[in-house]
Amino acid sequence: QVQLVQSGAEVKKPGASVKVSCKASGYPFSGYYVHWVRQAPGQGLEWMGWINPNSGDTNYVQRFQGRVTMTRDTSTRTAYMELSSLRSDDTAMYYCARDSGSHGYGDFWGQGTLVTVSS
Amino acid sequence: EIVMTQSPVTLSVSPGERATLSCRASQSVSSYLAWYQQKPGQAPRLLIYDASIRATGIPARFSGRGSGTEFTLTISSLQSEDFAVYYCQQYNNWPYTFGQGTKVEIK
Repeated sequence: QVQLVQSGAEVKKPGASVKVSCKASGYPFSGYYVHWVRQAPGQGLEWMGWINPNSGDTNYVQRFQGRVTMTRDTSTRTAYMELSSLRSDDTAMYYCARDSGSHGYGDFWGQGTLVTVSS
Repeated sequence: EIVMTQSPVTLSVSPGERATLSCRASQSVSSYLAWYQQKPGQAPRLLIYDASIRATGIPARFSGRGSGTEFTLTISSLQSEDFAVYYCQQYNNWPYTFGQGTKVEIK
């Protein structure tokens, strides 16, 4: 069955970077884009961008440009999202989601990784 | 950026009753709209895509309709496990955007 398993919770200081992993199983990893979405505590969902695991091509939401980097390792079937210059308002649950194949929505989601930014 | 607006913010419904949630786009998104359900402490779960197609394993009591700028999600007879927050999401234009959510609570 399709599974996305994310790395554990992180606590970071302002200005630091965090790298979250998302390990895929149960489907051809290179065949489906991976999206990253975040959710601040008690708030709604916010798209961050996507990566094409086959080519490594990425597309980031403009507000994260310059601070986010999405990569993948096809040998380990893992996607990564790194966010730099962390601020307190980056405190959120970060989710990876497999694209359905139609390029636009997530049909399977990881369990989420809580990133807390605090001095 | 397309703004998605959901209404109401909170919907109080008794078990067994019908619930209708609305989602409006600031410009046309054709039929490129998805609905998700999210329960506390869980990741979102895909319910509907392409405005009206149920995702795999989603019960028939969930239905979606609409196109352009106006969309609805209907839950025909609410079960206890349906009390949650529901989000709409457009994928016609980048960046993809979500509505702010509608919380369906027990009346």
